Amino acid sequence: KQEVTQIPAALSVPEGENLVLNCSFTDSAIYNLQWFRQDPGKGLTSLLLIQSSQREQTSGRLNASLDKSSGRSTLYIAASQPGDSATYLCAAQYGNKLVFGAGTILRVKS
Amino acid sequence: EAQVTQNPRYLITVTGKKLTVTCSQNMNHEYMSWYRQDPGLGLRQIYYSMNVEVTDKGDVPEGYKVSRKEKRNFPLILESPSPNQTSLYFCASSFWAGPQHFGDGTRLSIL
Repeated sequence: KQEVTQIPAALSVPEGENLVLNCSFTDSAIYNLQWFRQDPGKGLTSLLLIQSSQREQTSGRLNASLDKSSGRSTLYIAASQPGDSATYLCAAQYGNKLVFGAGTILRVKS
Repeated sequence: EAQVTQNPRYLITVTGKKLTVTCSQNMNHEYMSWYRQDPGLGLRQIYYSMNVEVTDKGDVPEGYKVSRKEKRNFPLILESPSPNQTSLYFCASSFWAGPQHFGDGTRLSIL
């Protein structure tokens, strides 16, 4: 069964700290790996998408890496800010289906 | 503005009363899908559509129907809703294997 796991489930850090969120997937036959942000009561916002042939993608203070062979992806957030507080989800695309992790709840304290 | 629009945003209804949640996108995306989000279970895919008249089951399709008669619209139909379908529902669209664009969600409560 294709499963996606995110660790940690929750994370609280002081403002300015660099942090890493982890995502692992059981089946390496992915088309892509996506990272999303979800604010309370809102939909998901796409942050980064890494195609299966790529190793990483960057957008501003965010950097996502992908290691298909080990079934892992990481989202690196540099110089965290209180506005980064949200739930971060990763999703692996298998064929026509997306499988989501349960998310990491991030709180950045000012 | 590029967007995915869901309606209604909130609905409280009773068991057995048919309901439809509409989803519309203005980005000419061929791929559309429906998800439900439940505490402790995360986001699970209900149905998806690759294009007009092409739909297929996701991981939790029981009790739901969909149709794709036009490229921009992908309604979710609950013909006989039950309390276990109380959830937060999201519609999403994309070009195939591209970034998913999500609607703001529909919170359904079935009594």
